[in-house]
Amino acid sequence: AQSVTQPDIHITVSEGASLELRCNYSYGATPYLFWYVQSPGQGLQLLLKYFSGDTLVQGIKGFEAEFKRSQSSFNLRKPSVHWSDAAEYFCAVAPSSNDYKLSFGAGTTVTVRA
Amino acid sequence: NAGVTQTPKFQVLKTGQSMTLQCAQDMNHNSMYWYRQDPGMGLRLIYYSASEGTTDKGEVPNGYNVSRLNKREFSLRLESAAPSQTSVYFCASRIGQVRQPQHFGDGTRLSIL
Repeated sequence: AQSVTQPDIHITVSEGASLELRCNYSYGATPYLFWYVQSPGQGLQLLLKYFSGDTLVQGIKGFEAEFKRSQSSFNLRKPSVHWSDAAEYFCAVAPSSNDYKLSFGAGTTVTVRA
Repeated sequence: NAGVTQTPKFQVLKTGQSMTLQCAQDMNHNSMYWYRQDPGMGLRLIYYSASEGTTDKGEVPNGYNVSRLNKREFSLRLESAAPSQTSVYFCASRIGQVRQPQHFGDGTRLSIL
């Protein structure tokens, strides 16, 4: 069965420290990959996406993600976290053959401490 | 830019009541989606509309109906609300081209007592 796994439910990081959020997927072929961020009480905002080509993709707000085919992973990183990065982060996957349906991971909540 | 607008933002219902959640987008997008968000489960697709005039079931369609009223509007109806439908509901839209992402509304927080 196709699935998206975010192993970390909650991560706490100090302001200025680096952040890495993990995402693993289980699909037959390389799917389309997305990271979304949700601030409290808000909808989801797209951070970045990967379809093909360079496996390191840059997004908004200083985030980047690396696609690793051998590990079926698409991990999100930020070198230096700001207090405003406290939010919930979702990895999402769309099968290449049918782009209409996104499958979401359960999400990772990031807390930033001063 | 309004983007995707959902109404209402909050609603409390009693079990058995009916309710329609409204969604409208002003981006001329072809595809529209309804998700529900529950703690620890991410977002799950309820129904989607790939284009005006078409609707299809997603992962969790039971207890819901949808109407794609026109290109802009996609409504979600609960005919007889149940406590298990307490959730945050998100509408999203997408232009329809393969490599374009979905854009989300701010959600409707629905509680069913």
